[in-house]
Amino acid sequence: NAGVMQNPRHLVRRRGQEARLRCSPMKGHSHVYWYRQLPEEGLKFMVYLQKENIIDESGMPKERFSAEFPKEGPSILRIQQVVRGDSAAYFCASSLTGNYNEQFFGPGTRLTVL
Amino acid sequence: QQQVKQSPQSLIVQKGGIPIINCAYENTAFDYFPWYQQFPGKGPALLIAIRPDVSEKKEGRFTISFNKSAKQFSLHIMDSQPGDSATYFCAAFSYNTDKLIFGTGTRLQVFP
Repeated sequence: NAGVMQNPRHLVRRRGQEARLRCSPMKGHSHVYWYRQLPEEGLKFMVYLQKENIIDESGMPKERFSAEFPKEGPSILRIQQVVRGDSAAYFCASSLTGNYNEQFFGPGTRLTVL
Repeated sequence: QQQVKQSPQSLIVQKGGIPIINCAYENTAFDYFPWYQQFPGKGPALLIAIRPDVSEKKEGRFTISFNKSAKQFSLHIMDSQPGDSATYFCAAFSYNTDKLIFGTGTRLQVFP
């Protein structure tokens, strides 16, 4: 049973480009969470999605950031017109029911904006 | 604003020592207080968790102490080993929101 998969593991973008981060949840999991981790900081909640629905996006910046979790395929976190401050590790977690003890984290995507 | 404050930021102990990491929260609406362990280049992994109606929980060498009136909880690692060297995050979870709120992390180094 494969764990949560994220790709790419490392992503380098120049300012102004778009970044697309993918998260494939564990088999059977329909809840996906995205978190951002800045250097020397904890994980900050960004968005909570279930299949085809955004449940809570209270942690998402209002501009340039969007997330989706389509019926088929991985969840995508999209950052448009990236800026240096977007450089961080982005983790997704998936869950069967939404309970904390069933949120399994992926290895993260490390985004570097030049 | 929901917040979880964690200290210290870093901790160095010798093998066999008992590092203690402390966290404090503000919102009383949390249902569970988990701790996560993160190794470099990896995602966080659930280590141990406690409910607010329990004062202590032990799992192997890891113990959580919980003080509900003070809104504080701490992680103790007994007989620490070099393999315990990692970053530890406390968190708070609410069934109402299905959301985890993380502390800022403690980087633990255990020297042989």
